[in-house]
Amino acid sequence: DIQMTQSPSTLSASVEDRVTITCRASQSISSWLAWYQQRPGKAPKLLIYKASILESGVPSRFSGSGSGTEFTLTISSLQPDDIATYYCQQYNSYPYTFGQGTKLEIK
Amino acid sequence: QVHLVESGGGVVQPGRSLRLSCAASGFTFSSYGMHWVRQAPGKGLEWVSLISYDGSDKYYADSVRGRFTISRDNSKNTVYLQMNSLRAEDTAVYYCAKVLWANSGTTPDYWGQGTLVTVSS
Repeated sequence: DIQMTQSPSTLSASVEDRVTITCRASQSISSWLAWYQQRPGKAPKLLIYKASILESGVPSRFSGSGSGTEFTLTISSLQPDDIATYYCQQYNSYPYTFGQGTKLEIK
Repeated sequence: QVHLVESGGGVVQPGRSLRLSCAASGFTFSSYGMHWVRQAPGKGLEWVSLISYDGSDKYYADSVRGRFTISRDNSKNTVYLQMNSLRAEDTAVYYCAKVLWANSGTTPDYWGQGTLVTVSS
């Protein structure tokens, strides 16, 4: 199985900060990576797929990059509404696997 | 507008069975694969299973293979998860989700609100 490792596990930042979350795969997954946002008590929401394609309706301050084994999710200017836990997921091969999550907090 | 509603969760004793359902609307259900993903209390997301748009292909996480069975009824726009030999570690909110692209096994896009399964004596 492909292991997905996110860093950091928790991130504290100020409003309007640039924030970056990293996701590493235990083997190459090409660009078959998605990012999800999950607010407390809510279902996950797709932000980005195929590593860098922004899902319709997602604010442009979110962006994704990377290929192979290393990927990043960037929020260019953190907003209070972005407080959530973020997960990466590989869909290169079964079983699909998620990273352990990055909890984003406001300073 | 895509709408996914899970049902069938509840409290069940270890070793017993439970069947979850997910009713879909707002899209051509018979053209999309469907996932089940779960989340234990206070923990991260765990992918559980995927069924292809026509039910011909099914995939499972190692943790549930041989105990859980995914199926679908395209005439009822519903996907199911039959869970047998339940264990305490199966306690979680179970989400159904549709795949992003028709006729593919891609990542989920729309998710339901989930149904809680608690395995306890």
